[in-house]
Amino acid sequence: DVKVTQSSRYLVKRTGEKVFLECVQDMDHENMFWYRQDPGLGLRLIYFSYDVKMKEKGDIPEGYSVSREKKERFSLILESASTNQTSMYLCASSPGRSSYNEQFFGPGTRLTVL
Amino acid sequence: GNSVTQMEGPVTLSEEAFLTINCTYTATGYPSLFWYVQYPGEGLQLLLKATKADDKGSNKGFEATYRKETTSFHLEKGSVQVSDSAVYFCALSEERGDYKLSFGAGTTVTVRA
Repeated sequence: DVKVTQSSRYLVKRTGEKVFLECVQDMDHENMFWYRQDPGLGLRLIYFSYDVKMKEKGDIPEGYSVSREKKERFSLILESASTNQTSMYLCASSPGRSSYNEQFFGPGTRLTVL
Repeated sequence: GNSVTQMEGPVTLSEEAFLTINCTYTATGYPSLFWYVQYPGEGLQLLLKATKADDKGSNKGFEATYRKETTSFHLEKGSVQVSDSAVYFCALSEERGDYKLSFGAGTTVTVRA
């Protein structure tokens, strides 16, 4: 089974802190994604990556950055956390280069910024 | 750009009732269409998908048919169970895009015994 794991289920940080969210997948997938999920807005794509050291902006990249130094690991970084970044963060991965391919999701990290 | 509009919830049903969740989309090409489900406390998982017009996706008693003429992909189940309580997301991926998914807002379904 494909497994996508995220470093924390719950995280509480203070405004201005630097926050790292880690995601690891164990199926050698090329593509990895970071979303945030907010009630009434569905999932919105923050950043994604097709390959090691590659990254592309999604729909809402402002205030975030990412790092992919190894194929299995994709990190989301909040350089200076703000209260409007309180949300559920979901990581996903998918194989290959086809729009038909399923994305596999981690359990999510619920981040609260005080 | 791409967009997905799905029926607003929340939806509350009794066990064995019929469930329909409407989903319509806007896309420039020939997208693939998906339904994902999120059970309480979990990440999303694929429920079913369809990759071309008139395809029917099905899984766990759920069905959805890709209707190009009405740009719709409505989710249906004939007899729901308490275990179907979850949030359901409709999504699309463009054929010649960059493999991103565009999601609808999600519909919360609660099934009561």
